[in-house]
Amino acid sequence: DAKTTQPTSMDCAEGRAANLPCNHSTISGNEYVYWYRQIHSQGPQYIIHGLKNNETNEMASLIITEDRKSSTLILPHATLRDTAVYYCIVRSLNAGNNRKLIWGLGTSLAVNP
Amino acid sequence: NAGVTQTPKFQVLKTGQSMTLQCAQDMNHEYMSWYRQDPGMGLRLIHYSVGAGITDQGEVPNGYNVSRSTTEDFPLRLLSAAPSQTSVYFCASSGTPSGNTIYFGEGSWLTVV
Repeated sequence: DAKTTQPTSMDCAEGRAANLPCNHSTISGNEYVYWYRQIHSQGPQYIIHGLKNNETNEMASLIITEDRKSSTLILPHATLRDTAVYYCIVRSLNAGNNRKLIWGLGTSLAVNP
Repeated sequence: NAGVTQTPKFQVLKTGQSMTLQCAQDMNHEYMSWYRQDPGMGLRLIHYSVGAGITDQGEVPNGYNVSRSTTEDFPLRLLSAAPSQTSVYFCASSGTPSGNTIYFGEGSWLTVV
C-alpha cells in the first residue's frame, strides 16, 4: 500500500472548520483513502473513506483531488472533543493485506477554545 | 454489539514472565491483527491473521506468538517479557460484512519491569 504524508500538527479554533491535508502521490487505482482518528488513550476510530469521489458522513467530509494524489479531511465545526491524532492511510481492496499498512504518526490536531 | 474487546486493560510484568493478551471480536471478521504503539513510533504491526488457523508475521514479531483457533479470538502471547515490550497494544479486526474498515479495541497497557 502507498505511503502517506501528513503535517505533524495543526491548530483549529473551536467552531471553525478543521482542514487536514494528506499527500498520497503513489496511490494506485485500486486503493482507497481512509481516515482514522485516535483520541488520547483510546483505540483508533474510523472516520471516513473514499476512492475518487468526495464523501460526507455525520462526522466529516473527504475531498479527494482529481488526480487522487492528495486529499483533505474536513471537520466542519470542530469541537474540543475533536482534539486527537488523525491518520490518513491508503488501502487496497484486499482487506486482509493489513501487513502492508503504514500508519505513520498522523496529524495531531488541537482544537482550542 | 461489543466490537473488539481486549483484556486486560493494564498489566505489570516482571522481566522473564510470560502472559497472554486476549482479543475477541463479535463481527464475524476474517482478519485480525495486533499492533503495538510506542511514543514517536506510530502503530506497528506485530502479527496478523486472515482466518481461523492462519497467522503471519508483521513488522515487529519477535518475542510474540499468536494463534487463531476460532474466528472470534486472537490471543497474543509474550513468551519471556522484556522491558522493550513495554507498550500499548491494540487488537484490530476487519473484513466482510464490514467492508474494509478496521475496528480497534481500546488497548492494553503493558509495563515490563
